[in-house]
Amino acid sequence: EIVLTQSPGTLSLSPGERATLSCRASQSISSNYLAWYQQKPGQAPRLLIYGAFSRATGIPDRFSGSGSGTDFTLTISRLEPEDFAVYYCQQYGSSPRTFGRGTKVEIK
Amino acid sequence: QLQLQESGPGLVKPSETLSLTCTVSGRSISSRSFYWGWIRQPPGKGLEWIGSIHYSGKSYYNPSLKSRGTISIDTSKNQFSLKLTSLTAADTAVYYCARDRPPYDHGDPGWLDPWGQGTLVAVSS
Repeated sequence: EIVLTQSPGTLSLSPGERATLSCRASQSISSNYLAWYQQKPGQAPRLLIYGAFSRATGIPDRFSGSGSGTDFTLTISRLEPEDFAVYYCQQYGSSPRTFGRGTKVEIK
Repeated sequence: QLQLQESGPGLVKPSETLSLTCTVSGRSISSRSFYWGWIRQPPGKGLEWIGSIHYSGKSYYNPSLKSRGTISIDTSKNQFSLKLTSLTAADTAVYYCARDRPPYDHGDPGWLDPWGQGTLVAVSS
């Protein structure tokens, strides 16, 4: 199965700063079939990005996805207070689908 | 607006079988465009995909479950269900259901959106 490694484990930033989250795959993900989710404490995950760079419905344009092959990035251009959360990547290019272990974005 | 809601027992004994149901409202579960999936998250840990099913009955499972899981679908009730057998403490988790969207028509399961709020299941005697 494809193992997704997310880094860093924790990112400490201030509101207004730029956040760059990495997701690296143990093998190439076909057709860039990668999604990103945001999860806040006590809540279900919410889809942010699919197909590596397509924003889901209702997601602000400060969230952007990029990358291909084995290296993918989620960028939050200017952190808003509601963006502090845990972010997961997920691949659906091969079975079984797998998730990364998450990156926590916390207030510095 | 599409909504999903999980239901089931909050506590199950070791070696027993867990049965969870996801009720879908706001859209028919009989859409050929989507699968319907289960995902779990142990307390304080990451996400694990369990499996997904299409209304036609076609299903996919995570091999990590070692064939302990079965997902079924009831189009008359607009529900789908998960049965997980031979439970151990390692199965303690929040269980989520979600709509599962293939990246293209007739494709395999893809991304998950939206999700239900989740239900906590504890395995303990």
